Amino acid sequence: GAVVSQHPSWVICKSGTSVKIECRSLDFQATTMFWYRQFPKQSLMLMATSNEGSKATYEQGVEKDKFLINHASLTLSTLTVTSAHPEDSSFYICSGEEEGATYEQYFGPGTRLTVT
Amino acid sequence: QKEVEQDPGPLSVPEGAIVSLNCTYSNSAFQYFMWYRQYSRKGPELLMYTYSSGNKEDGRFTAQVDKSSKYISLFIRDSQPSDSATYLCAMSDYSGYSTLTFGKGTMLLVSP
Repeated sequence: GAVVSQHPSWVICKSGTSVKIECRSLDFQATTMFWYRQFPKQSLMLMATSNEGSKATYEQGVEKDKFLINHASLTLSTLTVTSAHPEDSSFYICSGEEEGATYEQYFGPGTRLTVT
Repeated sequence: QKEVEQDPGPLSVPEGAIVSLNCTYSNSAFQYFMWYRQYSRKGPELLMYTYSSGNKEDGRFTAQVDKSSKYISLFIRDSQPSDSATYLCAMSDYSGYSTLTFGKGTMLLVSP
């Protein structure tokens, strides 16, 4: 299967600071990338969908000014959590989808964010 | 009522057992069904993908879809300790957008 990487795998930051998470498709071109968050023992909740070169589409209830998504190239998308608060602590997972391979999303290993 | 229901488990079985994992859904527009395996603190890994009612087999895994009952299953034959993970069902409608709706996941524990 296709490989997606995320960096960092774990980050701890202080309340009020911003954190950037990178998502890269290593061996395919991801025309669409998705960002999810997952709380312990909970399912993946889609935050936003981004297409390369376009603005991201955010799910209802997700603050687009707080969670900034940039899909600058076919292999890189970034999620920036601005002015992080302890309630933003979660497991953030990205996935990529190749053009023409609809519904086959390949997930990154996730980034654990802890806000103190 | 949530769109996708999945028993969180844990489901504990001995090595070699046949495992049955299930999800029910309420949205009749769902047409595409996936099963993912997620190890602790890792991202989900796509196991099976199907879009029609009936069975689809891949090695020790069989995915079954019953659209009339809005019920999908994943069977694992000859289960191994390495199969211990959380299994997530996911589904999507045919809207042209590939957003997935996930179940909560079932934790499976296979003991040697």
